[in-house]
Amino acid sequence: AQSVTQLDSHVSVSEGTPVLLRCNYSSSYSPSLFWYVQHPNKGLQLLLKYTSAATLVKGINGFEAEFKKSETSFHLTKPSAHMSDAAEYFCVVSDRTSYQKVTFGTGTKLQVIP
Amino acid sequence: EAQVTQNPRYLITVTGKKLTVTCSQNMNHEYMSWYRQDPGLGLRQIYYSMNVEVTDKGDVPEGYKVSRKEKRNFPLILESPSPNQTSLYFCASSPTLGQGNQPQHFGDGTRLSIL
Repeated sequence: AQSVTQLDSHVSVSEGTPVLLRCNYSSSYSPSLFWYVQHPNKGLQLLLKYTSAATLVKGINGFEAEFKKSETSFHLTKPSAHMSDAAEYFCVVSDRTSYQKVTFGTGTKLQVIP
Repeated sequence: EAQVTQNPRYLITVTGKKLTVTCSQNMNHEYMSWYRQDPGLGLRQIYYSMNVEVTDKGDVPEGYKVSRKEKRNFPLILESPSPNQTSLYFCASSPTLGQGNQPQHFGDGTRLSIL
């Protein structure tokens, strides 16, 4: 079985300050982990993915995430928030070997205050 | 342009009237999947398909059917829609068969309202 917990449903930051979106996962096998972003009335876009290579993963638009197996976490960070980062973010886990199921977190809405 | 195309984008209909949401991808992907998105629940997987004629249930399959007769198409069928199926639906595809390390490409979504 697998599960994903996004620890905050809403996060609010000021423009130019760091962003931290937290994600914990549970998996009985070696997982692949992803972060997707969804802007209002849009589909989902891949930000970054972890698939067993480097534990620090760099994505698009300055985002990065660190896979910590001991903490079963995959938190998303960005050094400096931009107004265009306001969106909903989803952490996702899948079974790296079978790809039979994909599990999404419940999402974190990021608000960026000017 | 590589894309996943869903139709219709918006639909308002009534309880019990059969409907089909089409999904087509032009990337020759083996894996396709349907999700529904509800506030506070994230995306939940309805059905997925590993390849042509191979489909399986996700987390919330009740009330839905799918078929995969061609590699590019993966329609979602609601035989007798009910109000609790009012939701935002996404189709997605992935290039890798049997491996979970490839990201999915998503369509723009279909907003269904069942009255």
